[in-house]
Amino acid sequence: GEDVEQSLFLSVREGDSSVINCTYTDSSSTYLYWYKQEPGAGLQLLTYIFSNMDMKQDQRLTVLLNKKDKHLSLRIADTQTGDSAIYFCAESVRYNTDKLIFGTGTRLQVFP
Amino acid sequence: GAVVSQHPSWVICKSGTSVKIECRSLDFQATTMFWYRQFPKQSLMLMATSNEGSKATYEQGVEKDKFLINHASLTLSTLTVTSAHPEDSSFYICSAPQDSGRRDTQYFGPGTRLTVL
Repeated sequence: GEDVEQSLFLSVREGDSSVINCTYTDSSSTYLYWYKQEPGAGLQLLTYIFSNMDMKQDQRLTVLLNKKDKHLSLRIADTQTGDSAIYFCAESVRYNTDKLIFGTGTRLQVFP
Repeated sequence: GAVVSQHPSWVICKSGTSVKIECRSLDFQATTMFWYRQFPKQSLMLMATSNEGSKATYEQGVEKDKFLINHASLTLSTLTVTSAHPEDSSFYICSAPQDSGRRDTQYFGPGTRLTVL
């Protein structure tokens, strides 16, 4: 079955880089995602990566995928206080790529 | 961009009563919607897949008689928590994919916080 794990908390200083890690178990996942959750707002898609890619960069965000180790990471460069939120990784299931299994979420706290 | 709304935003009810939560896609049609439950320590659990015009598909361990899902139209899915108890208190979130062929068009509602007294 699918299982996605993340560390619960991360605290960084403003301006530093943040790296949020995720491990998953379903090697047949075709897409892996990163979502951001802020209070009172719906989950916001940050980026996604196809399983045959190793890396994807989008402005301050860099996603690294190690398919062999089933490890996904999100790096946020020049982290700002507005980046403080809960970050979820998610994998799509093999038989329905709209169906997502979410990780446990990582609360990112950015301090000045 | 497309928007998914939920109603109500929060609800408080007495133990034993039933509560209905609505999920609407505001400017697109969704033949499928998903319902999630978010526990206090953050984790988001997929409860069921709501299918327009047919029965919902429930994840393992989710009681279908407890959490009734009805997808009556292409823009509305409802989740009814029947005979609610304090352990059902949680944050319920729905999502709807606008275009199954695209990875970046699944939209999430803002969530409904249910508190059962």
